[in-house]
Amino acid sequence: GIQVEQSPPDLILQEGANSTLRCNFSDSVNNLQWFHQNPWGQLINLFYIPSGTKQNGRLSATTVATERYSLLYISSSQTTDSGVYFCAVERYSNSGYALNFGKGTSLLVTP
Amino acid sequence: DAGITQSPRHKVTETGTPVTLRCHQTENHRYMYWYRQDPGHGLRLIHYSYGVKDTDKGEVSDGYSVSRSKTEDFLLTLESATSSQTSVYFCAISDPPPSGDYNEQFFGPGTRLTVL
Repeated sequence: GIQVEQSPPDLILQEGANSTLRCNFSDSVNNLQWFHQNPWGQLINLFYIPSGTKQNGRLSATTVATERYSLLYISSSQTTDSGVYFCAVERYSNSGYALNFGKGTSLLVTP
Repeated sequence: DAGITQSPRHKVTETGTPVTLRCHQTENHRYMYWYRQDPGHGLRLIHYSYGVKDTDKGEVSDGYSVSRSKTEDFLLTLESATSSQTSVYFCAISDPPPSGDYNEQFFGPGTRLTVL
């Protein structure tokens, strides 16, 4: 299957700081999604971004499909941004439209 | 928010007992998925369904079976639970083309299962 690598694995920020999370994947994909798993375990959709750039408030994402990576930018971080950020890629295969997840970046934003 | 519920939300059971987890959606999406989340592994696909009575295996399907008798419900059964099946189980839904615009997946709240 497709390998998905996220970096860094852990990140500690002070409130107000900016950060960039990276996702590399090993093959061409049909779809890429970014999720935030909050401290209660809920998976929240951030972006559906197979290519190009999207912005949603303080968050933005860019996927360069030809170079097999995606970046998630968090600006002016807040304590509520804490949690684990997952990148997941989809390539239609024998497992249908299954998402292949990276292991996540664990973010802690301190006051 | 996508209308996805999972039941139960927490369950503790003993090795060897059967367990059924339920996923219910109100979005009329064609595809439904079961994933498990374990430390160090992220989320991995167990089984998925692409329509009523249409199901197929995912990456980690051994020891699990599924059924989908209605569009809105997708059941995951552990026929004889083992300690290695202690995990958090997530249901997801999507509606890829041609009926939907794209294949964004949305996740339910999860079920925490402990097998003693």
